[in-house]
Amino acid sequence: DAGITQSPRHKVTETGTPVTLRCHQTENHRYMYWYRQDPGHGLRLIHYSYGVKDTDKGEVSDGYSVSRSKTEDFLLTLESATSSQTSVYFCAISEVPSGGDQADTQYFGPGTRLTVL
Amino acid sequence: KNEVEQSPQNLTAQEGEFITINCSYSVGISALHWLQQHPGGGIVSLFMLSSGKKKHGRLIATINIQEKHSSLHITASHPRDSAVYICAVREAGNMLTFGGGTRLMVKP
Repeated sequence: DAGITQSPRHKVTETGTPVTLRCHQTENHRYMYWYRQDPGHGLRLIHYSYGVKDTDKGEVSDGYSVSRSKTEDFLLTLESATSSQTSVYFCAISEVPSGGDQADTQYFGPGTRLTVL
Repeated sequence: KNEVEQSPQNLTAQEGEFITINCSYSVGISALHWLQQHPGGGIVSLFMLSSGKKKHGRLIATINIQEKHSSLHITASHPRDSAVYICAVREAGNMLTFGGGTRLMVKP
């Protein structure tokens, strides 16, 4: 199994509070991703990173920001949490896609269940 | 934006049955992934395909690029195969677009 951890694994917070989720990898993979998973929507990309301090928006980036100051850590921040951000958040990693069957595989973390009351 | 549709959404089978899950997409892609999400929530990558067919144990994945369609087959299904199976497609770059998943339950 790829070495990916997420913290916290569960969090309950109130509307309007800031929340930061952490993804940590030990694989030295270049690409890191944050997804959210909601019933009826499947997995949707929030933000991704293609290197230290290099990030870009995904499909559902409004209300979220990210930072990557080290290869191994990718942080997702909800500046002011809303109930619509109640979801399960997954981090994923992949190597630089240089061709070949394994280079493009994304490995997923265990997920963080966030509830915003 | 690619539209990824999976069918069926839910599937119940008896142990030993041959199972097929389908995935269709709307725009040309460079690769297609099949993922498995366990009842506990963990997600595992099963296959990545760009053409043809791949086999791993009792799992077989096929893709038809011209028809924009892929299938995941499970032979001799077992209750431990019960999970949500997710199709995802890659277009430009390294971003994936995911289907809604197929929830499979295999009864003993």
